[in-house]
Amino acid sequence: DAKTTQPPSMDCAEGRAANLPCNHSTISGNEYVYWYRQIHSQGPQYIIHGLKNNETNEMASLIITEDRKSSTLILPHATLRDTAVYYCIVRVVRGGADGLTFGKGTHLIIQP
Amino acid sequence: GAVVSQHPSRVICKSGTSVKIECRSLDFQATTMFWYRQFPKQSLMLMATSNEGSKATYEQGVEKDKFLINHASLTLSTLTVTSAHPEDSSFYICSASRGDYGYTFGSGTRLTVV
Repeated sequence: DAKTTQPPSMDCAEGRAANLPCNHSTISGNEYVYWYRQIHSQGPQYIIHGLKNNETNEMASLIITEDRKSSTLILPHATLRDTAVYYCIVRVVRGGADGLTFGKGTHLIIQP
Repeated sequence: GAVVSQHPSRVICKSGTSVKIECRSLDFQATTMFWYRQFPKQSLMLMATSNEGSKATYEQGVEKDKFLINHASLTLSTLTVTSAHPEDSSFYICSASRGDYGYTFGSGTRLTVV
């Protein structure tokens, strides 16, 4: 799985859009970009994933650059409950036979 | 849908005793489940992969005789920490695979060994 680089921490004001960057310059053509988050003392929660097109769901939007070497997770209207560690993971879809490799992630703190 | 229940949420045990943690997929069948460990201020580390009806596969450095994994049905995997010591105190998290549809995680178990 390709290595990812994320800033260790970010602050965002409540109600504003939170934009979390992820660099994955060694991504290969069949690797997807996944985002999970972990609220303190809970298990990780799936947010969104994509291959090359931008994706949006009820939680967030995922913007992947044309060269696929980086991506941005956007939480459109951040709330205090969005304070969590956000993990960007790049991997091939393997039918769920192997576990995920988590990096250090970005600790997003939403300020009131 | 796609809920994974993990029990207990927290447990305190005496050094030298064993502790069992259960992980259940409530509304789907999971051929493969995973166990992670997370120390304070660190990321999740995969410990082992649990396949229904077969022996678990352990990551390098994880003692299989200390962390016993049983996956006897398509909805239940258990992790038993045997002869627990204070250094085994950690946050243990299970995850169930939904094939190409991704992974669902349990809420975690905080183990404290005193």
